[in-house]
Amino acid sequence: NAGVMQNPRHLVRRRGQEARLRCSPMKGHSHVYWYRQLPEEGLKFMVYLQKENIIDESGMPKERFSAEFPKEGPSILRIQQVVRGDSAAYFCASSRGGGNTEAFFGQGTRLTVV
Amino acid sequence: DAKTTQPTSMDCAEGRAANLPCNHSTISGNEYVYWYRQIHSQGPQYIIHGLKNNETNEMASLIITEDRKSSTLILPHATLRDTAVYYCIVNQGAQKLVFGQGTRLTINP
Repeated sequence: NAGVMQNPRHLVRRRGQEARLRCSPMKGHSHVYWYRQLPEEGLKFMVYLQKENIIDESGMPKERFSAEFPKEGPSILRIQQVVRGDSAAYFCASSRGGGNTEAFFGQGTRLTVV
Repeated sequence: DAKTTQPTSMDCAEGRAANLPCNHSTISGNEYVYWYRQIHSQGPQYIIHGLKNNETNEMASLIITEDRKSSTLILPHATLRDTAVYYCIVNQGAQKLVFGQGTRLTINP
């Protein structure tokens, strides 16, 4: 049973380019969460999605960032016109629905903006 | 803001039990206590969670006080690979976890 799969593991983008981060949840999980960890800082929640719906995006920056979780395929975190401050580790987690559940995390995508 | 308080760092000898405390005095009746750890810069790893009863799995044991205001994560036989930052989180479920600073546990040979 594969865990949460994220790709790419490392991504280098020049300022102004777009970054696309992919996350395939664990089998049987329909809830996906994205977190960001800036260098030397803690993990911060960004967005919570179910299939085709954004449930909570309170942690997403207002501009340039978007997320989707289509009916088919992985969840995508998209960052347009990247800036150096976007350099961070982006982690995806997934879970089943309901209250008494746990979320499992992927190994992350490390984005470096040069 | 995190609803938990943990020591910044702890040390433990290899082979001994590591006991990591966590205070969560404002926990609500429907909130669970979750423990995760992050080894170096890897993805957070789920360890265990509980509501009010003590829990045990292959990784650890979770002891929750009767008033639920504090808990202890126990790693029964710590190894060097258990060196990590351990996060205690109180939450209603898996969504929108709030990670504090955690406890940096160092296992010494």
